[in-house]
Amino acid sequence: EVQLVESGGGLVKPGGSLRLSCAASGFTFSSYSMNWVRQAPGKGLEWVSSISSSSSYIYYADSVKGRFTISRDNAKNSLYLQMNSLRAEDTAVYYCARGTVTTDSDSFDIWGQGTMVTVSS
Amino acid sequence: SSELTQDPAVSVALGQTVRITCQGDSLRSYYASWYQQKPGQAPVLVIYGKNNRPSGIPDRFSGSSSGNTASLTITGAQAEDEADYYCNSRDSSGNRYVFGTGTKVTVL
Repeated sequence: EVQLVESGGGLVKPGGSLRLSCAASGFTFSSYSMNWVRQAPGKGLEWVSSISSSSSYIYYADSVKGRFTISRDNAKNSLYLQMNSLRAEDTAVYYCARGTVTTDSDSFDIWGQGTMVTVSS
Repeated sequence: SSELTQDPAVSVALGQTVRITCQGDSLRSYYASWYQQKPGQAPVLVIYGKNNRPSGIPDRFSGSSSGNTASLTITGAQAEDEADYYCNSRDSSGNRYVFGTGTKVTVL
């Protein structure tokens, strides 16, 4: 079964750090780009960051650039998001999502169940 | 602009057809993908590319695109289609992604 399982969420104080993990199974992890997408309580989806299959290409949303770092370990079938200098507005459910490219488009075809990050004093 | 704009909410009678639209400059260059999200659940991909459905998605879901507007149509809406729907595409730079503002679909 193709599966993504996030972990590492929790309560952290403003200015603090947290590292999220996403464990992949059921597919060849090293062949796919991966993404982090977040959703603040009661709000819409927001793309956070993407990393290509070999880590050659990495992109961030302006809202997290300079504070968050995406990485992956293909040997461990794992995706990570290091979050530093956290702010209240980073409070959200964080999803990891597999990126899939076809001849005419790309999309996020597999999603994890999400992990909640709460930034509060 | 790298924004994708959707109507906040639409309603549809059971068995009828509803169209959800998504507008943005990036859609002139990239196809949208569409995601269904039910309360407390992760999003699910329902349409990608010109008009492609992942395995397991009913054929009552279809997609189309014209100019700066992408559309998701549900033909013969069912009670289980009640959910939030989000469009997504690459942004104008081509390197990053942007989600639409989301549309809540209510099936009456």
